[in-house]
Amino acid sequence: DAGVTQSPTHLIKTRGQHVTLRCSPISGHKSVSWYQQVLGQGPQFIFQYYEKEERGRGNFPDRFSARQFPNYSSELNVNALLLGDSALYLCASSLIFSISSPLHFGNGTRLTVT
Amino acid sequence: SQQGEEDPQALSIQEGENATMNCSYKTSINNLQWYRQNSGRGLVHLILIRSNEREKHSGRLRVTLDTSKKSSSLLITASRAADTASYFCATVNYGQNFVFGPGTRLSVLP
Repeated sequence: DAGVTQSPTHLIKTRGQHVTLRCSPISGHKSVSWYQQVLGQGPQFIFQYYEKEERGRGNFPDRFSARQFPNYSSELNVNALLLGDSALYLCASSLIFSISSPLHFGNGTRLTVT
Repeated sequence: SQQGEEDPQALSIQEGENATMNCSYKTSINNLQWYRQNSGRGLVHLILIRSNEREKHSGRLRVTLDTSKKSSSLLITASRAADTASYFCATVNYGQNFVFGPGTRLSVLP
């Protein structure tokens, strides 16, 4: 079975631009979460979606938005990019919306903002 | 704010030695999970320990949880070069989402 897939793997943008990151969960997984990981730090929670509804939002500005589609794939959008948005963006899926359900991560999208 | 804090930040050992990493947290939790991340890749779930458990084993991994001290430890026995990675603890509680610490970078030298 395919794991969590993310696209693109790498992306270079300039300040002020917009970016869309995509994630396909493991087949059968209905919950998708997004995390931002700055170099040398742990992942920081951005959003969680379950059954196409937002179930959690981290401490990120409104420039960050996300959605989940009927096939459970998800998009993360970031507007008006800042240099500080440079990071590895990780998508994780889980079978159900449960705090006891381990997260399955993709390999991330490396975003560089210049 | 960070919930879990791993200690040490970096650890270097020889192949065959044991590696111990610690995680401290601040508030009550439902469970605590450990993840491994190889350089530039996603995190891989290793083990989950619930708040009513004190110790758990999985292969060469041993996790302990002390809720009175709000701390957990991950022991990797007989380490291998392939264990070289960053290790993160994630604390989880009702109404909240996974909160990861800054991680411990483990280097296992051949």
